[in-house]
Amino acid sequence: GAGVSQSPSNKVTEKGKDVELRCDPISGHTALYWYRQSLGQGLEFLIYFQGNSAPDKSGLPSDRFSAERTGGSVSTLTIQRTQQEDSAVYLCASSPQGLGAETQYFGPGTRLLVL
Amino acid sequence: SQKIEQNSEALNIQEGKTATLTCNYTNYSPAYLQWYRQDPGRGPVFLLLIRENEKEKRKERLKVTFDTTLKQSLFHITASQPADSATYLCALPGSNDYKLSFGAGTTVTVRA
Repeated sequence: GAGVSQSPSNKVTEKGKDVELRCDPISGHTALYWYRQSLGQGLEFLIYFQGNSAPDKSGLPSDRFSAERTGGSVSTLTIQRTQQEDSAVYLCASSPQGLGAETQYFGPGTRLLVL
Repeated sequence: SQKIEQNSEALNIQEGKTATLTCNYTNYSPAYLQWYRQDPGRGPVFLLLIRENEKEKRKERLKVTFDTTLKQSLFHITASQPADSATYLCALPGSNDYKLSFGAGTTVTVRA
């Protein structure tokens, strides 16, 4: 079936604007993850969903960041009042059950540039 | 949380040679370790998983070792090809099993 998809692929916004990033996981995968990757850096964990619940939001950098998941499927990451330091690639991944040692399947990412 | 270090940001090798990448971690030894490949403009793609009770794992031209005493994993690409050029990431679970911590990656360039 189809892999993980993300939209938009690129987003340029002005400082202070809000942005919404979308993730469509692999159908049937209950676990969904958001990561952030800055230039030359490793992936930074942001949030984990199990179904529609987010038991781990520990990686969200500030209260400007929020995420939701509906219908156990699509997830939206929202960044309010964007800052230049929010510029990065935002990656979404899904896995079948969120159990240990599962492969995480990544989307292509959304490249966010805050001017 | 784990601190993960991957050797040298870039590795340039001649086609046909073996590339060896290192992943070192500092805290507790994880139950498993994963390696991913990331191409420019793409998301990471899973390659191999090795468990703490496994010394070595192979997949085609790839070989991974896991030494819990040294707190190190080695990733080998044998008979390298230009198509192997990419960034390779190691990932370890944290105290919560689902949550992976990733290294910054090593970029491999294979010259024809």
